[in-house]
Amino acid sequence: DVKVTQSSRYLVKRTGEKVFLECVQDMDHENMFWYRQDPGLGLRLIYFSYDVKMKEKGDIPEGYSVSREKKERFSLILESASTNQTSMYLCASSTEGLAGGTGANVLTFGAGSRLTVL
Amino acid sequence: ILNVEQSPQSLHVQEGDSTNFTCSFPSSNFYALHWYRWETAKSPEALFVMTLNGDEKKKGRISATLNTKEGYSYLYIKGSQPEDSATYLCASLTGANNLFFGTGTRLTVIP
Repeated sequence: DVKVTQSSRYLVKRTGEKVFLECVQDMDHENMFWYRQDPGLGLRLIYFSYDVKMKEKGDIPEGYSVSREKKERFSLILESASTNQTSMYLCASSTEGLAGGTGANVLTFGAGSRLTVL
Repeated sequence: ILNVEQSPQSLHVQEGDSTNFTCSFPSSNFYALHWYRWETAKSPEALFVMTLNGDEKKKGRISATLNTKEGYSYLYIKGSQPEDSATYLCASLTGANNLFFGTGTRLTVIP
């Protein structure tokens, strides 16, 4: 019954490494999102994508890039990991824009990837 | 970035107690209010989404209300059970995909 799958639950990387976080959804959703969650802060949007090859910056895109080559897959890339990118990363998807239709669209989340950068 | 506040940060209740917590959000440019439940080691799951002032939603023992004019939503849990232990997140939607989350209320139900 898994709908949004994140490839790694736990990762440990070194400063300067290139890191890929993968997310796959099997619900044919149009929109996909990457958030990060840090203690004492709400989930913050890094990037989202509303279609294949389309992306929009969220609130904290610096240091990240994304790739969406296929509808079901949305990758978050840390070009050169830094210690301040140690965090829990959550992928989510929605069937259409959250404000679309009646505005009642919700996010379906993955279980998260906890990244530690040493 | 929108300032969405949740209170309390955490609380412990005895099994069988009823409880409630608050989500405050700016009332300008409001589109929808989301509630999610996030159990440890699991994915956050949507509980409710509300759009209209005065909306009330219910799912089993959990219900929520919305006041868009004053910018708050309450989440109520009646007769708390240990399986209700989780972090409850609220988020305010202000545009197409501009969903701003609070820091959550962590609920622990003691058997």
